[in-house]
Amino acid sequence: KQEVTQIPAALSVPEGENLVLNCSFTDSAIYNLQWFRQDPGKGLTSLLLIQSSQREQTSGRLNASLDKSSGRSTLYIAASQPGDSATYLCAVRGFQKLVFGTGTRLLVSP
Amino acid sequence: SQTIHQWPATLVQPVGSPLSLECTVEGTSNPNLYWYRQAAGRGLQLLFYSVGIGQISSEVPQNLSASRPQDRQFILSSKKLLLSDSGFYLCAWADSRIDQPQHFGDGTRLSIL
Repeated sequence: KQEVTQIPAALSVPEGENLVLNCSFTDSAIYNLQWFRQDPGKGLTSLLLIQSSQREQTSGRLNASLDKSSGRSTLYIAASQPGDSATYLCAVRGFQKLVFGTGTRLLVSP
Repeated sequence: SQTIHQWPATLVQPVGSPLSLECTVEGTSNPNLYWYRQAAGRGLQLLFYSVGIGQISSEVPQNLSASRPQDRQFILSSKKLLLSDSGFYLCAWADSRIDQPQHFGDGTRLSIL
């Protein structure tokens, strides 16, 4: 059974810092990995999708990497801003389903 | 472009009452559809998914059921709500191709009194 873990559970940084969020999964037989952002009381916004054959994806200040063999992914956020404050979730795709981690709650202080 | 609509945004229901949450997708055909629940302090739990009209797969035994009466409509129901059904319910869709991302609605906050 696939299990997805995200570390740390919470992170507080001052504005401008670069930061890394971690995601690990137990079964490397995945089709892809997706990073989401969730603001309080809201749905999930897709940030990046990495296919199993890819090593990384970039969108603006976000860069996600994938090491499928070791069961790890990282989300790198450059020059963090208060607007980046949210919960970040990673999810790995099996045949029909996504399996989610429990998320990292990020607070960026001005 | 594709959009997903989920309603209502919030709902307060007494224990034992019925439930119907609706989700519709626009701008795509034959999507895979999903219902998730997010309980306070816990991760997203997949409840049901559907790959076509009338095709429902249930992930966990529970007090809820799902139906897909039309290609882009997905309904979550219960005949009698329990206190444990409280939570944040999210609908999602994805293209049937496996290399495509999932997209989520804005969710329904369900409180059972």
